Amino acid sequence: GAVVSQHPSWVICKSGTSVKIECRSLDFQATTMFWYRQFPKQSLMLMATSNEGSKATYEQGVEKDKFLINHASLTLSTLTVTSAHPEDSSFYICSAARVPARYEKLFFGSGTQLSVL
Amino acid sequence: QQPVQSPQAVILREGEDAVINCSSSKALYSVHWYRQKHGEAPVFLMILLKGGEQKGHDKISASFNEKKQQSSLYLTASQLSYSGTYFCGTEYSGSSNTGKLIFGQGTTLQVKP
Repeated sequence: GAVVSQHPSWVICKSGTSVKIECRSLDFQATTMFWYRQFPKQSLMLMATSNEGSKATYEQGVEKDKFLINHASLTLSTLTVTSAHPEDSSFYICSAARVPARYEKLFFGSGTQLSVL
Repeated sequence: QQPVQSPQAVILREGEDAVINCSSSKALYSVHWYRQKHGEAPVFLMILLKGGEQKGHDKISASFNEKKQQSSLYLTASQLSYSGTYFCGTEYSGSSNTGKLIFGQGTTLQVKP
């Protein structure tokens, strides 16, 4: 099956610093990837849709300048949490489908636990 | 709008059955089901595409009632390995053709020996 790799698995940073999370599709090209945020025992909240070669589409209420998404190649999307604060601490997870279309199952990365001190 | 799952949590004994429901206030194009174990990535279970469609995967099956805008996941003769949090993900009619899913709040299933 398709594999989506996400790094790092966990990161601890000081308040005010920026953190970059990478999401790679290892055996397929992903023109579209999705970024989610998940709080303990809660749902996967869609943050944005990452589109290769174009701007990301953010969900309502998600700060574009806070969560920068770059999808520079067909196998890599990055999420940068800028000027992180303790309230940004969360589990961030990405997903991708082989084809950006309906009916396609998603393959998820293993997630990144971000802790901001 | 996020689909609503019920119940929020279920505790079962091995061998017992369970049903998890997913309801939407908007017209659905499809319903996806995923299972997530603690600290791990969600894993795909199945997709239901048409009204009235039913699918099965081992002893896990699901139905999709397009008219009622709801789907149900059926777990029969539960095994310890079924423990985890189950999420339904919905694609809404009229949404862009990108495969974007909106997930329900999850149902935590615990199977005890």
